[in-house]
Amino acid sequence: DAKTTQPPSMDCAEGRAANLPCNHSTISGNEYVYWYRQIHSQGPQYIIHGLKNNETNEMASLIITEDRKSSTLILPHATLRDTAVYYCIVRYSGNTPLVFGKGTRLSVIA
Amino acid sequence: DAGVIQSPRHEVTEMGQEVTLRCKPISGHNSLFWYRQTMMRGLELLIYFNNNVPIDDSGMPEDRFSAKMPNASFSTLKIQPSEPRDSAVYFCASSSLAGTPYNEQFFGPGTRLTVL
Repeated sequence: DAKTTQPPSMDCAEGRAANLPCNHSTISGNEYVYWYRQIHSQGPQYIIHGLKNNETNEMASLIITEDRKSSTLILPHATLRDTAVYYCIVRYSGNTPLVFGKGTRLSVIA
Repeated sequence: DAGVIQSPRHEVTEMGQEVTLRCKPISGHNSLFWYRQTMMRGLELLIYFNNNVPIDDSGMPEDRFSAKMPNASFSTLKIQPSEPRDSAVYFCASSSLAGTPYNEQFFGPGTRLTVL
């Protein structure tokens, strides 16, 4: 079973920041937080991951609370192409499978 | 790099027929995962391989499902006999045991299976 809780859906205006929350209160010390997204009819796509520190890459930023029980994915300037289902996943590093929950359906509105 | 390649992209078959889905992982990757996506159950793992060896097949629904990885560049998922409840999108993903520390999984475009 997924170890994360996410809101089922969110809307965001184009050009604004999209902030997607995730709760993972049972995360263990060695587990990472990963984010993937799935654009309609495509395979999931890796976005970002983190352990304790905040992380940023060309796609997004990941903010992890100090107690690591929750995190927020930030898309700084959302575009229509960011409309997708976003999955927050907790897992150990290494080649272990991904356990997907229901994710958050983000709709970016013009 | 062509990415993960899956074939066919769409498959329509009749109940009772054998179905074979194919996957070519990214060159150099040595872990391969098969996932299934339905509206009811979402994305779920069926089976995964490390270095061509099956590691966990607990997600395979029943004996009608079988998966093989005869070499590092090819895997098959077979359903025999197929049933309407097997209708779903089947994704293959690959990753590297070495290299990147976070073991990003790269997904193929999926095979949409419809069993009538």
